[in-house]
Amino acid sequence: GAGVSQSPSNKVTEKGKDVELRCDPISGHTALYWYRQSLGQGLEFLIYFQGNSAPDKSGLPSDRFSAERTGGSVSTLTIQRTQQEDSAVYLCASSADRPRGGYTFGSGTRLTVV
Amino acid sequence: SQQGEEDPQALSIQEGENATMNCSYKTSINNLQWYRQNSGRGLVHLILIRSNEREKHSGRLRVTLDTSKKSSSLLITASRAADTASYFCATEKAAGNKLTFGGGTRVLVKP
Repeated sequence: GAGVSQSPSNKVTEKGKDVELRCDPISGHTALYWYRQSLGQGLEFLIYFQGNSAPDKSGLPSDRFSAERTGGSVSTLTIQRTQQEDSAVYLCASSADRPRGGYTFGSGTRLTVV
Repeated sequence: SQQGEEDPQALSIQEGENATMNCSYKTSINNLQWYRQNSGRGLVHLILIRSNEREKHSGRLRVTLDTSKKSSSLLITASRAADTASYFCATEKAAGNKLTFGGGTRVLVKP
């Protein structure tokens, strides 16, 4: 597609449930990033995939968070046993190998844990 | 903690005025980027300036970079109501590495 697509756009879940967030990057973009943004705050880095290299998972806040990228394209961010503090907008971005034009962001998934 | 910190946190101006916001960072970088965010959703890339560049223009936007002071500024000239948004700076330590974002500046342009 023309842009980065994220689904769902909104997700309300009960505390303790697992959720999966999906990101479809721009075709041909080798790099894919997940960020989290709490209300009125900046972006918090979560995880970064670059081609066939091992992902940089240094931003994942706990072992309840995991992500995978299948076939170098679609990525899924999974949060297990959700907590209220997980409520945030989860943003995905992709870029070409050398992002001369910067990253392209999706519209995000707003996760609310009740 | 954030690599980049924007100043001010919020800015309110009249349409037609210029808006200036600053970004400071802590470590050496390969490039610095500015993004705009409307309504708390996806970010839009505005401009990228490399560590060996000092100034860059794009339309009504002017970005400067001072690597000796580890700071950058974004100037929006002749602001419009549509410029109302949050603006974030982000730094990349090495080419192709992850971006580290600051906390953003919320800009309100009053018609």
